[in-house]
Amino acid sequence: GENVEQHPSTLSVQEGDSAVIKCTYSDSASNYFPWYKQELGKGPQLIIDIRSNVGEKKDQRIAVTLNKTAKHFSLHITETQPEDSAVYFCAASMGSSASKIIFGSGTRLSIRP
Amino acid sequence: KAGVTQTPRYLIKTRGQQVTLSCSPISGHRSVSWYQQTPGQGLQFLFEYFSETQRNKGNFPGRFSGRQFSNSRSEMNVSTLELGDSALYLCASSLSGPNEQFFGPGTRLTVL
Repeated sequence: GENVEQHPSTLSVQEGDSAVIKCTYSDSASNYFPWYKQELGKGPQLIIDIRSNVGEKKDQRIAVTLNKTAKHFSLHITETQPEDSAVYFCAASMGSSASKIIFGSGTRLSIRP
Repeated sequence: KAGVTQTPRYLIKTRGQQVTLSCSPISGHRSVSWYQQTPGQGLQFLFEYFSETQRNKGNFPGRFSGRQFSNSRSEMNVSTLELGDSALYLCASSLSGPNEQFFGPGTRLTVL
């Protein structure tokens, strides 16, 4: 079936440390994997995405890795800051047409000062 | 460039009523997707429209429907509201598909 599993559901890290969130997907045809950050009272905000022809992508303190064989992808945040506290969602396109996005269940990230 | 706008932001309805929510995408964006967000079920895909055509839909009952107009603005309708329909309804737009979607702030629907 169409499924994206996300772990952990909650994550607390010391400011300055790294945070890692992991996801797995079910559809081998998935070719687009975005990550979203959602702050209280707001809609999700795209922070980084990766396509199936790329294994890793970085944008300043954020990086995403993709293992197509294992159907795994991960978000890495380095040098965490208080403003990184939010709920993070991974997602994957379903089917070759990529007109349907399925989201993971979310990870609540808390940065301890 | 203005972001995705959704109206109304908050809505209270009673069981059995129907509701229509509106979404205006970012200028130039032709794809609009709708999602339902609840604490228990997370973010669930409702449907996606492109050039006034529904290209894909999620696993929701027929009470949930949508449409897209020639200017790319979209509406979704929920008929015969149930208590379980209480949720944040999010709209997202992109240039040509769910790739690089930009979300609106959502409409908070409460069904009493």
